[in-house]
This record gives sequence, structure tokens and C-alpha cells, in this order.
Amino acid sequence: SQQGEEDPQALSIQEGENATMNCSYKTSINNLQWYRQNSGRGLVHLILIRSNEREKHSGRLRVTLDTSKKSSSLLITASRAADTASYFCATPPLGAGGTSYGKLTFGQGTILTVHP
Amino acid sequence: GAGVSQSPRYKVAKRGQDVALRCDPISGHVSLFWYQQALGQGPEFLTYFQNEAQLDKSGLPSDRFFAERPEGSVSTLKIQRTQQEDSAVYLCASSLVLGYRGASQKNQPQHFGDGTRLSIL
Repeated sequence: SQQGEEDPQALSIQEGENATMNCSYKTSINNLQWYRQNSGRGLVHLILIRSNEREKHSGRLRVTLDTSKKSSSLLITASRAADTASYFCATPPLGAGGTSYGKLTFGQGTILTVHP
Repeated sequence: GAGVSQSPRYKVAKRGQDVALRCDPISGHVSLFWYQQALGQGPEFLTYFQNEAQLDKSGLPSDRFFAERPEGSVSTLKIQRTQQEDSAVYLCASSLVLGYRGASQKNQPQHFGDGTRLSIL
């Protein structure tokens, strides 16, 4: 079963515009991760935000986390055609005693298309 | 190699046949995961290895699915008596560090292979 839901399911923008994707999850977490998947390829890790962090930046990426609402957002600024891909949020749910070996539960993803 | 390698990239089999999918993780990575990804969906967890030990197989859909990692490196996912609903992309991922305990954050990102696209006719 899917842990989270991404919103929107699909997003189409022009090069240079910003893209914002949202993710909601259901259980308590220690961290939340965002991955990118190009068509026909595996997933590539983009960024990890810990539960005690509210915002994190990496290059053109900005991630926010609101644990009270169990939601996260990924912002890609100044998008490029090469950013066209599916984007997934993923969480390793907390296990007993706050432990986790890191198995990930993914959302359904947002398909981003950036037009040149 | 530099990344996680999976073979074959594509596999077509007739219903009822057995298939074996191979994963070569990044050298030295302790953790190895298998995921199943249906078309248009996010990956779903199948099973997890810590070195050669299979610590979690709760995601395996049925007893037709079997995974092993006998020497703690290469892993094989085997599906017996395949059925059409087994058609999916099977992704393997490896990670250097296990996870975390309490407040000690040790989670490392997972490195994915490009997957095996399995089609059952």
C-alpha cells in the first residue's frame, strides 16, 4: 500500500518556471526523502529532510516539511527541460523503539513535464 | 561497477514459467532492497537483506516469490509459475548504512538500479 499521495498527479510547465509538488503521508516518520525517476530508469535520490527540520535547500531544489500536517513540498526553481521526470516522496516508517532499517514507502508520484 | 546493476533489463516470459532477476549492488553496501513498480505507480517494497540475512520479506506477494543473497553481495529474485499480474518493473536498491535507532540518524539514501521490466504473456 502507498504511504503518501503526491499532488498534483501531473504538472506541465514552461522552461524557466517554478514547479511545486506536494506530498502527504500517514504515519510518524524520522525523515522524508524525494526521488526522481526518468522514464525507463531507476530512481535517483534528490534530497532528505529530517523530521526536526522544516526546510532544506539543494541547488535549485527546496524542500519543506510540516510534521503537524504530515506533508512535504518540493520546489524546483528555474525549471529546465531536463527536469522532465516523475518525482516521488518516500518515507521510512518508524519501527518499534524508533528504529528503522530504512525500507521506503513511496507515494504515487508527480509526473513533471517541462516544455522548452 | 559504479552503480547498482540489474539484469536482464527486459524479460518476457509465458505464464507458468519461472524467472530469475539479478541485482549487483554497489560494492560494500550492506543493505539491499527489492521493490516492485506497477505502471504509473510508485515502487512497493518486496524484501530487505542485511548482508546475507533476509530480515524482512513482508512485501513478497506470494510464496511464488523467493529472494536470496547468499554471499552478501549479488541478489537474485526468483518468481515461480509466473502469472500475468506479476508483470511490472522490479527495482533493486542498495544502501551503505542500515538505518537509525532513536535519535541517531544514520539513514543513507538508497541507490537504485534501472530495473528489470518483466512482461508475462
